[in-house]
Amino acid sequence: DTEVTQTPKHLVMGMTNKKSLKCEQHMGHRAMYWYKQKAKKPPELMFVYSYEKLSINESVPSRFSPECPNSSLLNLHLHALQPEDSALYLCASSQLTGRNEKLFFGSGTQLSVL
Amino acid sequence: AQTVTQSQPEMSVQEAETVTLSCTYDTSESDYYLFWYKQPPSRQMILVIRQEAYKQQNATENRFSVNFQKAAKSFSLKISDSQLGDAAMYFCAYRSARQLTFGSGTQLTVLP
Repeated sequence: DTEVTQTPKHLVMGMTNKKSLKCEQHMGHRAMYWYKQKAKKPPELMFVYSYEKLSINESVPSRFSPECPNSSLLNLHLHALQPEDSALYLCASSQLTGRNEKLFFGSGTQLSVL
Repeated sequence: AQTVTQSQPEMSVQEAETVTLSCTYDTSESDYYLFWYKQPPSRQMILVIRQEAYKQQNATENRFSVNFQKAAKSFSLKISDSQLGDAAMYFCAYRSARQLTFGSGTQLTVLP
């Protein structure tokens, strides 16, 4: 199994809603990532978990709250989002073998904030 | 900080022809890794090819090859015998100790 599975594929939420994005991998990878991607732009790193501990937070607003319950699962909890947070949210995982490591990406969750 | 520049926002190629996508980067490091990822309409980022900076030999993966010029800090991707399935956004990326930095991307269209 070489897949990173993200759910849901699409999400529409209001600015007062609370929702969560889910990411799962069963490749035994020990690093998991959240990226945000606006249309026709490259992905921007948000968070990195290494061995289930948050290792990088790229100054992301607190309305985004990541969680790594176990080595296979990564969540992104969303609360009080703004319309400018509408984007494709990509999850990725890797082996943590060094700089040459391959990142495996999911197909993303397309988020619309109304 | 490292920067990655892709100067061609859009490119097109005729099916079965060859196309080269350009990428330049800026770094003060001597040991690093470079990648090309493609993002088709399915939105999933897929690794195409990777190059280790200390290796002079250019990486090759089937129809995909790179021209790595370390002194010029250039890392172009050549796609031979282009196929319709190659149509995608292509991102060049630099791997530092901290993270993967992507270029702005090149949208490749393959014409039948």
